[in-house]
Formats: sequence, structure tokens, C-alpha cells
Amino acid sequence: EAQLVQSGAEVKKPGESLKISCKGSGYNFTNYWIGWVRQMPGKGLEWMGIIYPDDSDTRYSPSFQGQATISADKSISTAYLQWSSLKASDTAMYYCARLDRDGYKSIHSFDYWGQGTLVTVSS
Amino acid sequence: DIVVTQSPDSLAVSLGERATINCKSSQSVLYSANKNNYLAWYQQKPGQPPKLLIYWASTRESGVPDRFSGSGSGTDFTLTISSLQAEDVAVYYCQQYYSTPLTFGGGTKVEIK
Repeated sequence: EAQLVQSGAEVKKPGESLKISCKGSGYNFTNYWIGWVRQMPGKGLEWMGIIYPDDSDTRYSPSFQGQATISADKSISTAYLQWSSLKASDTAMYYCARLDRDGYKSIHSFDYWGQGTLVTVSS
Repeated sequence: DIVVTQSPDSLAVSLGERATINCKSSQSVLYSANKNNYLAWYQQKPGQPPKLLIYWASTRESGVPDRFSGSGSGTDFTLTISSLQAEDVAVYYCQQYYSTPLTFGGGTKVEIK
């Protein structure tokens, strides 16, 4: 069965950089889109963007374009979400999730989710 | 961007009673070529990641109890819990995957009355 395991919780100061990870196993990581979803404290789910690990095709939500960078290393079945300069407003739980598919690069619902990485940004 | 709106924001239902959640998209998510509605429903319990319940608007994910059902087409959709159980207390989200950016509704919190 597919599984996504995320890196552990982080506490950072404003202006610091950060890269969190999401490692896939139990399926062909290369051929499924991986997405990132933000959930701010007590709030709903926000779709940040997705990446297709085979060719690194990346799609961002306009709300997050330029705010964070999504990447992937297919050789180690891992996707990443990184910030170059964190803000207090980046404090949130971040989930990675796999998009189901029924054809080459098709985009469907999120069928498997990571456990989440809590990012806290505070001075 | 397709805007997805859920209603109500919260509802309280007695155990064994029906719960109904509505989801409306700002444009149709029905793809004419395959007649599929690109809409999913998720359940999120406190302290857990979301869990996929329904995809293609009405197809239950494997292992999801049959008291959960999805219906609707085009722009208007419904998630129904036919007989609410204590373990169904959660926040429910709909999401369209017809086009990027994929967008979620704001969520509906379901509680026991």
C-alpha cells in the first residue's frame, strides 16, 4: 500500500529558510502527482501546488506562487516544500498528498496523505 | 479559478439521524468527454490528516462505510451521512479537481446534538 512519510515538526525564526520533505513508498513515486496542502491553525485546507516527479512539471496556486517552492527528487522518492525567508504567517500544518490517476499525468483526488509537518515561525 | 462553497459551516445532528452537507462550484466540474464530475469529499478528524471518502462525486473510496454517499452533478453536490455515528464527528471538505488550482470548500463541522 502507498505511504507518505513527512519530516518532523520545525520551529524557526522569521527570515530563516526551511525545507520539509515527503517520502513516498509502496508505489511508483515517479508516475503520480504529489501535492502540498496548507492548514493554518483552526482553519481549512488550502491547495498550494503539485509536482509530477518524473519530469518535475510543477503547478502552483496563484496564492502561493513565489511564496514557497515545490521540488522532487525521484531517485529517492521524495518531494519537498521550501521557503527562503519564512514569515510568521507561514505558521501552519503542511500536508503532502498523492493525486490518484487513471492515465499519464491525469489529475484526480488526493488518495493518500502524509501525517503532516507542523511549521512554527516565531521570534 | 473555480470557487467552491460549502454549506452550512457547521451542523449538529442526533445519533442515527441524517446529516447533509452541500457543496457548490462556481463553474461546472462535469467533464463532457467522460461524463465524470471532478469532485471529491474528504473527512478530517481532530489531529489527523484528511481522508478521502468520495471521488467522482459519488464513488465511495474503498473501506468507506456505505452510510456515506455523494450525489449531484455540474455545480451542485451533496454529501449525505445516512445515520450519524459518534465516529463521524469531523470536518468535511469538498474539493474540485477539474482544473488547477485545485480548490477546497471551506469545510463543514459535524457534531452530535
